[in-house]
Amino acid sequence: EIVLTQSPGTLSLSPGERATLSCRATQSVSSRYLTWYQQKLGQAPRLLIYGASSRAAGIPDRFSGSGSGTDFTLTISRLEPEDFAVYYCQHYGNSPPTWTFGQGTKVEIK
Amino acid sequence: QLQLQESGPGLVKPSETLSLTCTVSGGSISSSSHYWGWIRQPPGKGLEWLGNIYYSGSSYYNPSLKSRVTISVDTSKNQFSLKLSSVTAADTAVYYCARHDADTREIDYWGQGTLVTASS
Repeated sequence: EIVLTQSPGTLSLSPGERATLSCRATQSVSSRYLTWYQQKLGQAPRLLIYGASSRAAGIPDRFSGSGSGTDFTLTISRLEPEDFAVYYCQHYGNSPPTWTFGQGTKVEIK
Repeated sequence: QLQLQESGPGLVKPSETLSLTCTVSGGSISSSSHYWGWIRQPPGKGLEWLGNIYYSGSSYYNPSLKSRVTISVDTSKNQFSLKLSSVTAADTAVYYCARHDADTREIDYWGQGTLVTASS
């Protein structure tokens, strides 16, 4: 079973700053199936990045994803007020087919 | 625009079965390009994938819950459903229905979620 560990648990930053969020897998995973979501308080998660680095429709280009193997990163180049939220990474594995989430990183206003 | 809407009881007694339905509008559940599934989130905690189903009826479940979860699809009503048996307080959560891409596997559309509380 692959476990995804996100760090840090909480990131305290100011608007305009750069945010770097990490997602580490316990074993090498396919970048094709590594996804990032944003969840604001009281809302459903929203798809941000799929295939480790492809932005979903309507996602601003200040959001970018990178990584391979066991280490993946979500970067928000300049934080806007609406970006303060919880971010989850998620992986699809096929033996057996399962969708696994990391525990989340909260990006809060400093 | 695709929309998913969960419906069902907000309160379930311990040991009973939780039943929810997701109605899909703005698109067909018979799409060969998507799976339809359920994810839950206990209050203040993270996301847990429960399972999903293809329009043909083939389904996948979280191994940790497999013995208690059943997902079914009704293409005539453009709906799919979740049943979780033998609930306990630990099953109290917001339950989301969602669409999964069958190729790249991301979850690209979510319902708004519905809170189900397991309590007597």
